[in-house]
Amino acid sequence: GENVEQHPSTLSVQEGDSAVIKCTYSDSASNYFPWYKQELGKRPQLIIDIRSNVGEKKDQRIAVTLNKTAKHFSLHITETQPEDSAVYFCAASNSGSARQLTFGSGTQLTVLP
Amino acid sequence: DTEVTQTPKHLVMGMTNKKSLKCEQHMGHRAMYWYKQKAKKPPELMFVYSYEKLSINESVPSRFSPECPNSSLLNLHLHALQPEDSALYLCASSQDHRQDTQYFGPGTRLTVL
Repeated sequence: GENVEQHPSTLSVQEGDSAVIKCTYSDSASNYFPWYKQELGKRPQLIIDIRSNVGEKKDQRIAVTLNKTAKHFSLHITETQPEDSAVYFCAASNSGSARQLTFGSGTQLTVLP
Repeated sequence: DTEVTQTPKHLVMGMTNKKSLKCEQHMGHRAMYWYKQKAKKPPELMFVYSYEKLSINESVPSRFSPECPNSSLLNLHLHALQPEDSALYLCASSQDHRQDTQYFGPGTRLTVL
């Protein structure tokens, strides 16, 4: 089955700096890669996603890049703000009929004011 | 309205109790999911319903019993749980089992005494 590795497990940045979180996946048939943000005690919220026919996608301060050859994708957050502090999970969708999501282990991002 | 609702928000139960978790969505989604999430870990898939039929059971113990009464509702019946079953139980939905974007509910925080 699919295996997704996520790094780093914790990340602290100063407010205004950029943050980058990286994930690698094992199944070359995976073709959908969402990123979820989960604040303490809250639900995972989809913040951005990318499909395998696209190399990069941007939404305001958030961008995701995908390298299919190397089987890795990254989340980039620019001009970080304290409210960006949360756990971020990457995921990959397999090619099976039920479109299961395989999650990475998560990154605790702390933005220091 | 991209909202999935879950009740109750919190549940405390003894090991001999029987209780049920409820999930509802009115987005017309035809795939619904149950996940279990332990603290500081990613969500783990338990069950997938597609068009009201159980399509995936991730080797979940029989003390967890899912039910999908109609396309908008998903239940998880609990019986004879163990303390290690204490976790956040998340429901999610997607347009159908081939559509990748999953939207999560707020979860039920379950404590088994």
